Amino acid sequence: EIVLTQSPGTLSLSPGERATLSCRASQSVISSYLAWYQQKPGQAPRLLIYGASSRATGIPDRFSGSGSGTDFTLTISRLEPADFAVYYCQVYGNSPLITFGGGTKVEMK
Amino acid sequence: QVQLVESGGGLAQPGRSLRLTCSGSGFNFSNHAFHWVRQAPGKGLEWMTVISSDGSNRNYADTVKGRFTVARDNSKNTLHLHMNSLRTEDTAVYYCARGWGLVPDFWGQGTLVTVSS
Repeated sequence: EIVLTQSPGTLSLSPGERATLSCRASQSVISSYLAWYQQKPGQAPRLLIYGASSRATGIPDRFSGSGSGTDFTLTISRLEPADFAVYYCQVYGNSPLITFGGGTKVEMK
Repeated sequence: QVQLVESGGGLAQPGRSLRLTCSGSGFNFSNHAFHWVRQAPGKGLEWMTVISSDGSNRNYADTVKGRFTVARDNSKNTLHLHMNSLRTEDTAVYYCARGWGLVPDFWGQGTLVTVSS
């Protein structure tokens, strides 16, 4: 089973700042199998990034994904008020087929 | 526009059963695999199961294998999750999500299941 560890647990930043979120896998992951989601309170998750670095439809270009092997990063270049939320990484694996990280909360400072 | 609407949640006693339904519209339902993912109150996301586009293949997380069954009816654009032998730890919001390649790309708003005596 692949375990995804996200850090930090909480990121306190101001609008306009850069956010860097980390997702570390317990074993090497094929990049095409790595995705990122955003979830706001009371809402369903929204797909942001798939294939480690491809933005989903309608996702602004201030969101970018990178990484390979066991270390992946989601970067939000300039935080907007709508970006304060919880972010999850997700990997497609073997058993279970899909695993999520524990999440990183980006909160307003 | 793409819509997924879950229903069937509610209060159930431990050991009882519940059936969730997810109705899709605004896209070609039969072209997609579908996932169920749950989220316990205040916790993260936990993947439960996936069913292939034609219903011939299913895969389950160990935590629900043998208790939960996923099914679909492409003629009605619906997806079901049959949950048996419910436990208090099954209390969560249950989301259905459309499969797109290797990822769930679009999610419904979820339905809350509370298991309590």
